[in-house]
Amino acid sequence: DIQMTQSPSSLSASVGDRVTITCRASQSISSYLNWYQQKPGKAPKLLIYAASSLQSGVPSRFSGSGSGTDFTLTISSLQPEDFATYYCQQSYSTFTFGPGTKVDIK
Amino acid sequence: QVQLVESGGGVVQPGRSLRLSCAASGFTFSSYAMHWVRQAPGKGLEWVAVISYDGSNKYYADSVKGRFTISRDNSKNTLYLQMNSLRAEDTAVYYCARGRNYYDSSGQYDAFDIWGQGTMVTVSS
Repeated sequence: DIQMTQSPSSLSASVGDRVTITCRASQSISSYLNWYQQKPGKAPKLLIYAASSLQSGVPSRFSGSGSGTDFTLTISSLQPEDFATYYCQQSYSTFTFGPGTKVDIK
Repeated sequence: QVQLVESGGGVVQPGRSLRLSCAASGFTFSSYAMHWVRQAPGKGLEWVAVISYDGSNKYYADSVKGRFTISRDNSKNTLYLQMNSLRAEDTAVYYCARGRNYYDSSGQYDAFDIWGQGTMVTVSS
């Protein structure tokens, strides 16, 4: 089975900050990597698919990069509505989520 | 509008069974693979199962294999999850999600683009 790790597990940031979250797969998954945002008590929301493609309706301040085993989600200028938990997910072999990265207010 | 609505959650004793439903609307249900994903209280997301658009293919997480069964009724636009031999560790919010295929020059990519609001399952004596 493919295992996913994320770092950091949590971070504190201010509005306007540039935020980077890293996701690593236990084996190469090419670009079969998605990113989701989840706010407390809500369902997850798809942000990025295929490692770097922005889902329709998602603000352009979100971007994804990487291939193989190492991936990054970047928020270029953090907005108040971006405080949430972010999960990566591999879709190379069935599906596995990373443990999540919680972004809260500094 | 495009919507998924789960139902059937509740409190159940260990070893008993429960069936969850997910009603789809606003899109051609029979054209999409569908998934169940769960989230234990205070924990992360765990993929549970997937069923192909026509029900011919099903895959499960190891943690539920042999105990849970995913199925669908395309005539009713409804997805199901039959959960047997429930354990305390199955306690979670269960989400249904639509599997969307995305294509580019490199291939086909799968992601979960529409999610329901979730239904809570508590396994406790």
